[in-house]
This record gives sequence, structure tokens and C-alpha cells, in this order.
Amino acid sequence: GAVVSQHPSRVICKSGTSVKIECRSLDFQATTMFWYRQFPKKSLMLMATSNEGSKATYEQGVEKDKFLINHASLTLSTLTVTSAHPEDSSFYICSARDVGLAGGLIDEQFFGPGTRLTVL
Amino acid sequence: AQKITQTQPGMFVQEKEAVTLDCTYDTSDPSYGLFWYKQPSSGEMIFLIYQGSYDQQNATEGRYSLNFQKARKSANLVISASQLGDSAMYFCAMREGLTGANNLFFGTGTRLTVIP
Repeated sequence: GAVVSQHPSRVICKSGTSVKIECRSLDFQATTMFWYRQFPKKSLMLMATSNEGSKATYEQGVEKDKFLINHASLTLSTLTVTSAHPEDSSFYICSARDVGLAGGLIDEQFFGPGTRLTVL
Repeated sequence: AQKITQTQPGMFVQEKEAVTLDCTYDTSDPSYGLFWYKQPSSGEMIFLIYQGSYDQQNATEGRYSLNFQKARKSANLVISASQLGDSAMYFCAMREGLTGANNLFFGTGTRLTVIP
């Protein structure tokens, strides 16, 4: 239990295009999902917190118009990088909050496998 | 101030030996959770072990144990009987509060290399 998927796992796009990354909780309902960004050989930095049915809460310094987050259902959150530029190239990881016991721990977060974005 | 500090950018350990990865944390919240994750080159974050701030005993999960010293605000990960497959990045993380509603703060990580 407590499986989170991300799609795509890897994407290469041209500068100026938009890219959508999906984060799905496969066997539980996730009222809250978190989006993190990881630069090469660096730590994970929280970008935003996404709550189902409401607007995402962005961390300071993260442009909400550039990184659009939609949490339309209890099992899906999407991150759209709009008008991507080479500096947006990074590893994007989502985590989903499971309020049940699917993963063995009560009310825990589980990570997706990540999406590696390369903007040319 | 950094909420999570990992002072060892890289560590080497001989196969079958034990290794300790250091982690200190900073919070004024009396309720918090401490986590260790393993990140292999594939990038996925693999949960290893959890310690709650009110847990009386150190957490253990197989070959992983967490040396929780609350007064020192440290939460070191001990890996016993290292295996080649343990080579990876290891991240210490903290969540303030005891529910999953809050995000995790991550340290900068330690790259562990297991030597045959």
C-alpha cells in the first residue's frame, strides 16, 4: 500500500513550452500533496503544498504563475511548469499525505519516484 | 537557521561494517517527527525510519536504527552490516507537528559509499 506515482518520469522540452507533471496516489486518498524540487546533488526544497479542492500554498520565492498546481481530486495533483526555461531544469518530486494506515504509519507522507525535467 | 543539518557530505564504509550518519535538528515545537530517507541514483525517496519526539525508545527497522538524543537535538542513523546496495544519498528530515499535514524539512544529505 501507500504507492505514489509520477508521470512522466523524464521529460525533455524546448524553452518556452509548458510541461505538466502528474502525481497520483494509487491506493489511498490524499487530501494533501506536496511538491518538492531538487537540484543536482542538493537537498529537496518544498515548492508548494496542495490541498484538494483549494488553492495551493506556495513557499516564498516560488512563482505561482510559473508553477501551476491543481489538486482536482483526492488522488491526483498536477504541477505545470509554464514557459519553461533552462533554469527550470530540475528533479521534481511529489509526496502525498495518507491519513490512514496504508503505509504502516499513521498519517504519513509518501513520495513519488520523481520527474526529471530538462529544458533545452 | 537551518532546521536540519547534516555535516557529512560523504562517508565511506567497508562492507559488513556499521556506519553512523549524523543529523542535528532545530525546532521550538515540542511535537515533531524525524525521518531518514535513502535516495539511490534513480532518484526515488525511500523511507527508512521514523522517530517521534515523544517516543521513549530509539526507532529500529532491520539494519537501520536511529540514535535519538533529544537534549542534543540529534537523530543519527546507524546502518549495521553495510551492504553494497546501501551506497546512496541519505537525507535526514523533520516535520514539525505530529501529523502529516505539515511538510518535511530536509538536510543537505550524506553520500554513503560502501567499499567491497
